[in-house]
Amino acid sequence: QVQLVESGGGVVQPGRSLRLSCTASGFTFSRSDMHWVRQAPGKGLEWVAVMSFDGSHKFQADSVRGRFTISRDNSKNTLFLQMDSLRPDDTAVYYCAAGSWYEYWGQGTLVTVSS
Amino acid sequence: EIVMTQSPATLSVSPGGRATLSCRASQNVTTKLAWYQQIPGQAPRLLIFGALTRATGIPARFSGSGSGTEFTLTITSLQSEDFAVYYCQHCFTWPYSFGQGTKLEIK
Repeated sequence: QVQLVESGGGVVQPGRSLRLSCTASGFTFSRSDMHWVRQAPGKGLEWVAVMSFDGSHKFQADSVRGRFTISRDNSKNTLFLQMDSLRPDDTAVYYCAAGSWYEYWGQGTLVTVSS
Repeated sequence: EIVMTQSPATLSVSPGGRATLSCRASQNVTTKLAWYQQIPGQAPRLLIFGALTRATGIPARFSGSGSGTEFTLTITSLQSEDFAVYYCQHCFTWPYSFGQGTKLEIK
């Protein structure tokens, strides 16, 4: 049974940092590109970042480039999102997703950026 | 970046009826197109991939069509659990952008 479990969300002040984790099980993590997707309250889905299965390639959305860093540890089946210089418009539920067609999603973790 | 545009923003259909949702890509994405359903408070669920292939466990009343830049999701015999928000997403090249969503509501 495939599981993706995000953690690390919470309330943080503007300008501060937060690190999200996504722990995977039930599939071969080391063979899967992994993605972060976010959803602001009442809004649609926004693709955030991707890292290739072996960590050799990554890409971030323009809205987070230079502030967010995606990484992974295949030995621990874990994906990370380091979020720096957080802004109020980064407030969202953050999902990790896996599979060639996003067959697998986590339950999401809420990040609230507010003073 | 490829921009995905969905229409309409909101669609009102009666239970038992038929819904047709559209998605347009700003450039050719071949058949690298997926559809997702999202119920409030839940993570999205994959419905269709490769523009026309139903994901595991998805009922036959959901069907996808199209290629290139124009895509359609059709839902027939609408059930109460089908009233939700639907998103298209291309998987042609990074970034894999989403459409803004179509809310399917009960008429």
